[in-house]
Amino acid sequence: GESVGLHLPTLSVQEGDNSIINCAYSNSASDYFIWYKQESGKGPQFIIDIRSNMDKRQGQRVTVLLNKTVKHLSLQIAATQPGDSAVYFCAENTKTSYDKVIFGPGTSLSVIP
Amino acid sequence: DTEVTQTPKHLVMGMTNKKSLKCEQHMGHRAMYWYKQKAKKPPELMFVYSYEKLSINESVPSRFSPECPNSSLLNLHLHALQPEDSALYLCASSRTGSEKLFFGSGTQLSVL
Repeated sequence: GESVGLHLPTLSVQEGDNSIINCAYSNSASDYFIWYKQESGKGPQFIIDIRSNMDKRQGQRVTVLLNKTVKHLSLQIAATQPGDSAVYFCAENTKTSYDKVIFGPGTSLSVIP
Repeated sequence: DTEVTQTPKHLVMGMTNKKSLKCEQHMGHRAMYWYKQKAKKPPELMFVYSYEKLSINESVPSRFSPECPNSSLLNLHLHALQPEDSALYLCASSRTGSEKLFFGSGTQLSVL
């Protein structure tokens, strides 16, 4: 069935280091992937997205990599800051239902000052 | 205006009560969503409205009733809820169905 999952439920990194958050998906029909950040008491906030015709996309301090061969998605955060501490979710849209956005289980990122 | 506004922020209700959650956006988005989120879990899709028509109902119990009065407003009517329905209810919108979602801050619901 359709599923989006993460390899690591928690991640602790030193301030200034780079962070890598991984996500596995099983639906080969998925063609649009999004990373969200959720801070305590808030709704998820869009970080970056990528469509299946790309394998890399960069934003400000963030990079998303998509490997369709192994159905793997990653979020790289450069020079991690205390404000990056949050739960990060990957989400996917499938070609079969454009309105349906399914979230993975999430990774909690903790930045050590 | 790039905000999705949800009211109320907190709600406590008994199992026999009727209440409504409200969501509003003025970004001209044509898709609106209700998600339910339990603590330390990802958001779970409940309903999707596309161009003011219900396009997805993820087998949600009938004690939850969505309504989309116009393209800017989305309501979730609650009746005879159970304690296990206690959760954070998130509203989101997107320009179309295959674009990034903008989320509100949610309504934290407690059912006693």
